[in-house]
Amino acid sequence: EDQVTQSPEALRLQEGESSSLNCSYTVSGLRGLFWYRQDPGKGPEFLFTLYSAGEEKEKERLKATLTKKESFLHITAPKPEDSATYLCAVQADTGRRALTFGSGTRLQVQP
Amino acid sequence: DSGVTQTPKHLITATGQRVTLRCSPRSGDLSVYWYQQSLDQGLQFLIQYYNGEERAKGNILERFSAQQFPDLHSELNLSSLELGDSALYFCASSAGVANVLTFGAGSRLTVL
Repeated sequence: EDQVTQSPEALRLQEGESSSLNCSYTVSGLRGLFWYRQDPGKGPEFLFTLYSAGEEKEKERLKATLTKKESFLHITAPKPEDSATYLCAVQADTGRRALTFGSGTRLQVQP
Repeated sequence: DSGVTQTPKHLITATGQRVTLRCSPRSGDLSVYWYQQSLDQGLQFLIQYYNGEERAKGNILERFSAQQFPDLHSELNLSSLELGDSALYFCASSAGVANVLTFGAGSRLTVL
């Protein structure tokens, strides 16, 4: 069974204080690892897809990286508007193709 | 606006009742997914349809059912509701079976 574990559960940063969020996964065969952002009361919003170990993707202050067992979401010099829950999900390359999500990391960036 | 439309946004009902949640996917998307999000369990996959046919099932209870219609909109039917069914129900769509999922804003169900 596919499993995704995210840490920490919650993270409080000062504006400008860089940090990383972790996503550990087990999947029979990885087709893709996805990062989503979710604001309170809203649906998850797509950020990145990573397909193979060593791959990196960037968007503004966010950078996602992938190894064979985990992914990191690096947040550089965060701003208060980066406050949200960040969700990691995996998609297997066989069988069911629906995403399996982790429980998320709740990020709060204080001014 | 993600392009995925869910109705109703909020729904309050009583135990034992039945409700229907509706989802219109993004234009051109053939796949529809339903997810349940509760405080203690995160996003749980319920069921997936592709072009009108059921493609995959997740942790969907027997009291729940879904279908996708010829115009590609989908409905999730929840019956014999229990307090524990209170949650946010999200619909997502994708162009194919394995593409990026685009989520709607969700339907918040409260069972009293």
